[in-house]
Amino acid sequence: DGGITQSPKYLFRKEGQNVTLSCEQNLNHDAMYWYRQDPGQGLRLIYYSQIVNDFQKGDIAEGYSVSREKKESFPLTVTSAQKNPTAFYLCASSLAGVNTEAFFGQGTRLTVV
Amino acid sequence: KNEVEQSPQNLTAQEGEFITINCSYSVGISALHWLQQHPGGGIVSLFMLSSGKKKHGRLIATINIQEKHSSLHITASHPRDSAVYICAVTQKTSGSRLTFGEGTQLTVNP
Repeated sequence: DGGITQSPKYLFRKEGQNVTLSCEQNLNHDAMYWYRQDPGQGLRLIYYSQIVNDFQKGDIAEGYSVSREKKESFPLTVTSAQKNPTAFYLCASSLAGVNTEAFFGQGTRLTVV
Repeated sequence: KNEVEQSPQNLTAQEGEFITINCSYSVGISALHWLQQHPGGGIVSLFMLSSGKKKHGRLIATINIQEKHSSLHITASHPRDSAVYICAVTQKTSGSRLTFGEGTQLTVNP
């Protein structure tokens, strides 16, 4: 079945540690996105990539880094520079271009203690 | 002010009721999306529309481009419809990026 897989579903890390969230898709989509969701707020864009080996900052990129070495994979690293990393993280993908439907993963809930 | 506003924030209904969730936006858009997020967190796309009306089962989505307003209707609501419903838009100036509303938490009681 085609879809987007995020892993793990729950992740706990100590403060000051970097952590990498996985996102893999087998939909042959060119575009991939990382969003952050906090209670009472809409999803906010962290980074996005429209093609392999290229990515752009979203609205809240500070403290995060990404890579897009393969079309299928778009991992997100939450660095120790992110001041408030505890949140729900969602990965999405779509075909390139406008007016394309977005497909979402199941999300990763990161808790930093 | 958010570029995408939804109302109400929370909605409780009895099984069988007709439900309406509203979305207003203040930017030029290429398309508007209605999404559903279940308690586990995963999000499913319900509709993508740029004009008129779309229907899928008991769900109906409408959009009025002139008024910059969209509605999501659920007929004959059921407890399994309980979820967060999210309105999002692709802006004309932002390619395929989505701008999201804060979501509407719907609870349908049996």
